[in-house]
Amino acid sequence: GAGVSQSPSNKVTEKGKDVELRCDPISGHTALYWYRQSLGQGLEFLIYFQGNSAPDKSGLPSDRFSAERTGGSVSTLTIQRTQQEDSAVYLCASSPGHQNTEAFFGQGTRLTVV
Amino acid sequence: KQEVTQIPAALSVPEGENLVLNCSFTDSAIYNLQWFRQDPGKGLTSLLLIQSSQREQTSGRLNASLDKSSGRSTLYIAASQPGDSATYLCAVDSNYQLIWGAGTKLIIKP
Repeated sequence: GAGVSQSPSNKVTEKGKDVELRCDPISGHTALYWYRQSLGQGLEFLIYFQGNSAPDKSGLPSDRFSAERTGGSVSTLTIQRTQQEDSAVYLCASSPGHQNTEAFFGQGTRLTVV
Repeated sequence: KQEVTQIPAALSVPEGENLVLNCSFTDSAIYNLQWFRQDPGKGLTSLLLIQSSQREQTSGRLNASLDKSSGRSTLYIAASQPGDSATYLCAVDSNYQLIWGAGTKLIIKP
């Protein structure tokens, strides 16, 4: 498809398990963002990738969270030893570049930690 | 630190009315401002993007304005329809991070 694709769309995991969330950005987009939206709260920035530059990880809430972007395309957000407060919708977005370019969002992955 | 506020938090109007959603931000040093729509269980859909040098953008029944100096943007929806019911979010691009408002939940009653 032509849009940003995220998988899985839903994930239920047990507390303490590791999870991986995947994002396929729009082809050719150099910028990729991860956000999360917890129930009743606004969108929270997690991490930003731009081309081959070092990612901005300033939004990651703890060292249990990590993300990588292979070959400047697909990105994986990994949450280790999941906690119940990690339950949220995780959204990925891509854009042609940064500054003054529109961001396109995927449908999100709804993560539930039980 | 950039902060984005949206008023009202919720709005319910009869079909056919024109309405205005408000977004304010504290730091005028922005690259652009975007309005998004979020439907339950779905991702975000970009509606309009206004560059920092622009005053407004229009798409169909939607018109967004930007006043950087006062830190305000409005989203005007003309002739509202039940299909417009959704949460509307504004986000400012501030040093490549999108800073989000909490959204306005809009309900259009048939």
